Amino acid sequence: GAGVSQSPRYKVAKRGQDVALRCDPISGHVSLFWYQQALGQGPEFLTYFQNEAQLDKSGLPSDRFFAERPEGSVSTLKIQRTQQEDSAVYLCASSDPLAGNYEQYFGPGTRLTVT
Amino acid sequence: AQTVTQSQPEMSVQEAETVTLSCTYDTSESNYYLFWYKQPPSRQMILVIRQEAYKQQNATENRFSVNFQKAAKSFSLKISDSQLGDTAMYFCAPNRDDKIIFGKGTRLHILP
Repeated sequence: GAGVSQSPRYKVAKRGQDVALRCDPISGHVSLFWYQQALGQGPEFLTYFQNEAQLDKSGLPSDRFFAERPEGSVSTLKIQRTQQEDSAVYLCASSDPLAGNYEQYFGPGTRLTVT
Repeated sequence: AQTVTQSQPEMSVQEAETVTLSCTYDTSESNYYLFWYKQPPSRQMILVIRQEAYKQQNATENRFSVNFQKAAKSFSLKISDSQLGDTAMYFCAPNRDDKIIFGKGTRLHILP
């Protein structure tokens, strides 16, 4: 595709509900990253995939957060039993390790509001 | 842990002026990349400029240039002839392994 896409763009969830956020990376990009961005802050790393392998999940804030990329392309970030502190913009980025420059291309983000 | 410090939370300059955004970082790596990303109010993050740490020459992209001081671990961004479309959050971001670590950002307002 032309760029990284994310859906939905906006999500409102009641506290305690489960949500699933989707990311479609740039075609051919084997690396995929998830970030959480609180209002007025920089993105905070959550997790990272290379193809279908989740190589680093050190940034996931709790076991309520789960990410997968079963076929090495589309990825889903799932948040179970959402809490108000989960309200943030969730950014997805992809990169091509063969480019050798670590540049990441970002999607528009999903704004999650937990009420 | 790698840290990134952007000491200017917010800046405002008049259109056509030059502005410099500062950034310092901490790393134990000898070779790495440094990035400045721009996030306009629409929130799509885009790359402004990239610097390879082993290159002494400062990167330049049209109106955007960096002042990279490796020993001081300083990586400032200069925007020349600023335009209204430069209004955005700017993030300094070195890489660590395969990841990018972001600073808290500088909110830049270009005033007409």
